[in-house]
Amino acid sequence: DVKVTQSSRYLVKRTGEKVFLECVQDMDHENMFWYRQDPGLGLRLIYFSYDVKMKEKGDIPEGYSVSREKKERFSLILESASTNQTSMYLCASSPGQSNEQFFGPGTRLTVL
Amino acid sequence: AQSVTQPDIHITVSEGASLELRCNYSYGATPYLFWYVQSPGQGLQLLLKYFSGDTLVQGIKGFEAEFKRSQSSFNLRKPSVHWSDAAEYFCAVGASGSARQLTFGSGTQLTVLP
Repeated sequence: DVKVTQSSRYLVKRTGEKVFLECVQDMDHENMFWYRQDPGLGLRLIYFSYDVKMKEKGDIPEGYSVSREKKERFSLILESASTNQTSMYLCASSPGQSNEQFFGPGTRLTVL
Repeated sequence: AQSVTQPDIHITVSEGASLELRCNYSYGATPYLFWYVQSPGQGLQLLLKYFSGDTLVQGIKGFEAEFKRSQSSFNLRKPSVHWSDAAEYFCAVGASGSARQLTFGSGTQLTVLP
């Protein structure tokens, strides 16, 4: 089975802190994605990556950056966390040209 | 750009009743369509997918969905709901032959009454 893991299930940070969310997949997938999920808004794409060291902006990249130094790992970075970034963050991966995405369990981030 | 509409924010059904969750999409060509389910506090699990061919697609947990091009719809159905089906359901559309991204609907929360 494809496994996508996220470093934390719950995280509490203070405004202005730098926050790292880590995602690792074990199926050698080329594509990786970061979404945030908010009630009534569904999933919104923040950033995605098709290959190591490459990244593309999604629909809501402001306030976020990403890093993909290794194929299996995709990190989401909040340079200076703000309260409006309190949300559920979901990581996903997919192979090659496929649209079918496999999701991690999510990280619920609270920024105080 | 593609878009997805799930017109029902919340649906309540009794255990054993039938279920239909609606999904309408907007996309210029033949889309790739997906239904995912999210149990409380969990990530998303794929229920079923449509790429091409037979427009009635069978998925896991007894779910099925029908692609209707003329109505731009991909509704999810189950003939008899179980209490464990209570969850949030997301419809998603992907562009065929390109960017591998998915666009998600806003979700439908399903409550199952005993």
